[in-house]
Amino acid sequence: GQQLNQSPQSMFIQEGEDVSMNCTSSSIFNTWLWYKQDPGEGPVLLIALYKAGELTSNGRLTAQFGITRKDSFLNISASIPSDVGIYFCAGQKPPNTGNQFYFGTGTSLTVIP
Amino acid sequence: GAGVSQSPRYKVTKRGQDVALRCDPISGHVSLYWYRQALGQGPEFLTYFNYEAQQDKSGLPNDRFSAERPEGSISTLTIQRTEQRDSAMYRCASSSRTDTQYFGPGTRLTVL
Repeated sequence: GQQLNQSPQSMFIQEGEDVSMNCTSSSIFNTWLWYKQDPGEGPVLLIALYKAGELTSNGRLTAQFGITRKDSFLNISASIPSDVGIYFCAGQKPPNTGNQFYFGTGTSLTVIP
Repeated sequence: GAGVSQSPRYKVTKRGQDVALRCDPISGHVSLYWYRQALGQGPEFLTYFNYEAQQDKSGLPNDRFSAERPEGSISTLTIQRTEQRDSAMYRCASSSRTDTQYFGPGTRLTVL
């Protein structure tokens, strides 16, 4: 199945640093979601974006819906050890092309105390 | 309230056997999605329902896979004549609107 291109694939950062990751696709999406997945757990929804250009924050997390509707990015400010995990983006196509969600390949984040 | 639940959490079966995986969505959620997730990969769409109606099953790999949600709540994903390549984490997600979703803990299927 189709998957979105997510980068970087992995990141190793010092505690307190800011983090940025992004997701791109050749297709237009109506909705972008960002999830965090801890080992052995299901993905947990962090931020949902519904409109091109939209910038949304959730605590130290900020995400944007790209103006072309083909990309999105997630920023984490002042990282802490519990930010460790795999972050996935997910895009939903316009209704007339189905309501499926397509997931990115994931960004593995390691925070060094 | 309670989140999405799935059962069993782990299933080990022999090749050729049928398995049924259950998903109990968040109460009142209209939409229910099934995904398969391989290690180190993002979830891969299989099928989804609005109420009891299966809206899209284009992600089901072949005709050994089927899903139902007869009363618009609990859903069952059935895999017939399992093969080793079916081994994966199977995840269910539900939502009260079609543009977001919440995931369950998954069922880890191992086919020997």
